[in-house]
Amino acid sequence: DTGVSQDPRHKITKRGQNVTFRCDPISEHNRLYWYRQTLGQGPEFLTYFQNEAQLEKSRLLSDRFSAERPKGSFSTLEIQRTEQGDSAMYLCASSLMSTSPGGEQFFGPGTRLTVL
Amino acid sequence: DAKTTQPTSMDCAEGRAANLPCNHSTISGNEYVYWYRQIHSQGPQYIIHGLKNNETNEMASLIITEDRKSSTLILPHATLRDTAVYYCIVRVLQGAQKLVFGQGTRLTINP
Repeated sequence: DTGVSQDPRHKITKRGQNVTFRCDPISEHNRLYWYRQTLGQGPEFLTYFQNEAQLEKSRLLSDRFSAERPKGSFSTLEIQRTEQGDSAMYLCASSLMSTSPGGEQFFGPGTRLTVL
Repeated sequence: DAKTTQPTSMDCAEGRAANLPCNHSTISGNEYVYWYRQIHSQGPQYIIHGLKNNETNEMASLIITEDRKSSTLILPHATLRDTAVYYCIVRVLQGAQKLVFGQGTRLTINP
């Protein structure tokens, strides 16, 4: 399968615990994005990388959240001291930087986080 | 904030054309109209995008009004698998990379 993959697909944790999610983008894609989606809402942008550089972060990304893409390939999103409000679907997407029309983002299946 | 307005929900009979409207009255000259859809429990899926000309691909057609203040996504022969939430998004091609999703239109295809 050559699409975007995310691991784990589901995570249940207790409030106050740390969790880490992984995203593997489409192999030749140099841009990687994280979004969060709560029930009944559209996805909300969190952050994006171009290669290994984190170029934009949303104000939604509090200091408990950190994202990395150390070698410009896979990315991790860590949430420290989880809160019940962090319960959501965390979506990863990738795209290929291009100067021609296109550049659409390809999304993974998401990681559903439940904080008890 | 999302720059688009869509109906909350729509129904369509299987085999018929589904026409999903979107208003984007504040669209700028360098902003494209993108459509994504999200089938239950999956990530969003790109459908089509356009600037000012009508576009067609294997999934859908996109009709953009001459003043570019609104557009319509057309699924020519809807199937049950087209049941999903459809998002209309405006964005510049270069520069800001994030997609700003609204609440979308929940399209239900009925047998």
